[in-house]
Parts: sequence; structure tokens; C-alpha cells
Amino acid sequence: DIQMTQSRSSLSASVGDRVTITCRASQSISSYLNWYQQQPGRAPKLLIYGASSLQDGVPSRFSGSGSGTDFTLTISSLQPEDFATYYCQQSYSLPQTFGQGTKVEIK
Amino acid sequence: QVQLVESGGGLVKPGGSLRLSCAASGFTFSDSYMSWIRQVAGKGLEWVAHISGSGNSILYADSVKGRFTISRDNAKNSLYLQMKSLRAGDTAVYYCARSSRTFDYWGQGTLVTVSS
Repeated sequence: DIQMTQSRSSLSASVGDRVTITCRASQSISSYLNWYQQQPGRAPKLLIYGASSLQDGVPSRFSGSGSGTDFTLTISSLQPEDFATYYCQQSYSLPQTFGQGTKVEIK
Repeated sequence: QVQLVESGGGLVKPGGSLRLSCAASGFTFSDSYMSWIRQVAGKGLEWVAHISGSGNSILYADSVKGRFTISRDNAKNSLYLQMKSLRAGDTAVYYCARSSRTFDYWGQGTLVTVSS
């Protein structure tokens, strides 16, 4: 199975900050990398697919980049509703696997 | 709009069984792969199983293989997860999700608690 590693389990930031979350795959997954946001008590929500494509309805302050093994989710200007946990997920091979999550907390 | 609604969760003793259901609407269910994904409280996400639109292609995570059975009824737009020989480690919120290269729509989840 492909292992997905998010280097930080949590980070603290303020409203308006630029936030970067990283994810590394244990082998190359091309651009088959998706990002999800999960707010407390809610189901995860797809934000980014194919490493850099924004899902319909997701604000443009979210962006994704990377290919191969290293990927980044960037929030250009953190908003109050963005305080949540973010998961990466590879869809290159089965079983599809998730990173352990990065919680974005209020500083 | 797309809606996925899980039901069937609850408290069950170790070794017991439970059947989860997921009612789908707002998309062509029979054309869609569907998955079950679980999340232990305060922990990450674990894909459990998926099934193709026709039901002919099924895959399970190693952690549930031989104990869980995924199925679907396209006439009822419903997805199921039959869980047997349940263990404490199966305690989690179980989500159904439409799946392909992404999990683009999720239900609200149903809590399964395995405890004596």
C-alpha cells in the first residue's frame, strides 16, 4: 500500500495568514492526489483533485500543487471557516490511502 | 442535489453483527462506484471497501476482509455494509461516499460502537 505522510499533525495560524500544508507519498503517484477539509463533527469535503484542480464551489483561496511524491495545499488568506483538519489522499493505486491529517488551529 | 444518508449504526457486542445502509439520491447511482470509509474518534480516515456500479467489482481493506461484505441494490439506490465478527477496533463513524478517482460526495456518517 502507498503511505501518505503529512509532516505536521497541527499548525497554528491567524486569520489572513498564508498557510501551507504538505503531503508526501511513499512512491510516485503522478498527480493522483486529492485534498479534503473536515470541520468538527462533519463529513470530509473534497477541495482539490488531481493535485491542483479546484472542486466546484471551493473558494479560490485554496490551491494545490505538486507531482510525483511531494504535494502542497495552500490557503492564500486564512478565513475563520478554514479552521479545520485537512487530509491528503492518493488515488493512484488501490487501496486508496489517506494522510493522517493536519489540523489548522487558531493562533 | 446529491445526498447520501447512512443508517444502521449503534452499539453491538464484540463478535456481533451489524448492517449499515446508505440511501443515495441526486445522481445516477447505478453508474457510480461507491465506498465505505471509517474514522475512529479523533483519528484519521480509513477506506474500508468499494463496489462498482454493477456490483461486479468489489475490494476490501485487509483489516475487514472476510468479516465485512459490501453490496448494493441499484433499484433502491442503496448501498450496504454487512459487518460480522465485530471487534473493538471497528468502533468508528462509518461514511458512505461516491468514489472514482476521488471521494466527491459523502454522507453524514453513522456511529458504530463495539463494546461489551
